Amino acid sequence: GDSVTQMEGPVTLSEEAFLTINCTYTATGYPSLFWYVQYPGEGLQLLLKATKADDKGSNKGFEATYRKETTSFHLEKGSVQVSDSAVYFCALSDYTSAKIIFGKGTRLHILP
Amino acid sequence: DGGITQSPKYLFRKEGQNVTLSCEQNLNHDAMYWYRQDPGQGLRLIYYSQIVNDFQKGDIAEGYSVSREKKESFPLTVTSAQKNPTAFYLCASSFEVNTEAFFGQGTRLTVV
Repeated sequence: GDSVTQMEGPVTLSEEAFLTINCTYTATGYPSLFWYVQYPGEGLQLLLKATKADDKGSNKGFEATYRKETTSFHLEKGSVQVSDSAVYFCALSDYTSAKIIFGKGTRLHILP
Repeated sequence: DGGITQSPKYLFRKEGQNVTLSCEQNLNHDAMYWYRQDPGQGLRLIYYSQIVNDFQKGDIAEGYSVSREKKESFPLTVTSAQKNPTAFYLCASSFEVNTEAFFGQGTRLTVV
């Protein structure tokens, strides 16, 4: 079945450092790919998305490119801030499974 | 304002009692989902519904039940058959399969 694998955390960085959180997927169809962010005690918020190969999603300085050849959707940000501290989830959705499948999440800590 | 509302935010129940978690959306979305979140385990799909009067089991449906009598509403009942019901429950909706999901703020259920 469909699945999403993302790097385990926690990831701890200093403010203004470069961020990469790896995400790879397996899917039988042609999924859409998403990154969500969760702040403590809250639901998930959509951060960015990409619906087809080579699409780049971007929002709030975060970017991710849909790479079909490597089945990856890595999240990047050039300069992180303390306010970026949260849990980040990679996810996929496709017509074949009719589900939204999430990775286990990566907790990010940014030190001032 | 359009959105998805879960209630209550915190819920306490005695062991052996059934409890129903509310989820309402006014986004005119066809698809709705229930997830369970435990520390370190990410989001696990309990049930999902693509359309009114239809729903499917997710990966951990045992001990749970749902109904979808109205497009706007997708209540989740945690029954006494659920062995370890204490968790954070998240409801989500999407316009259709393969599009991004919008999440409620979650209900934290504690069974004592």
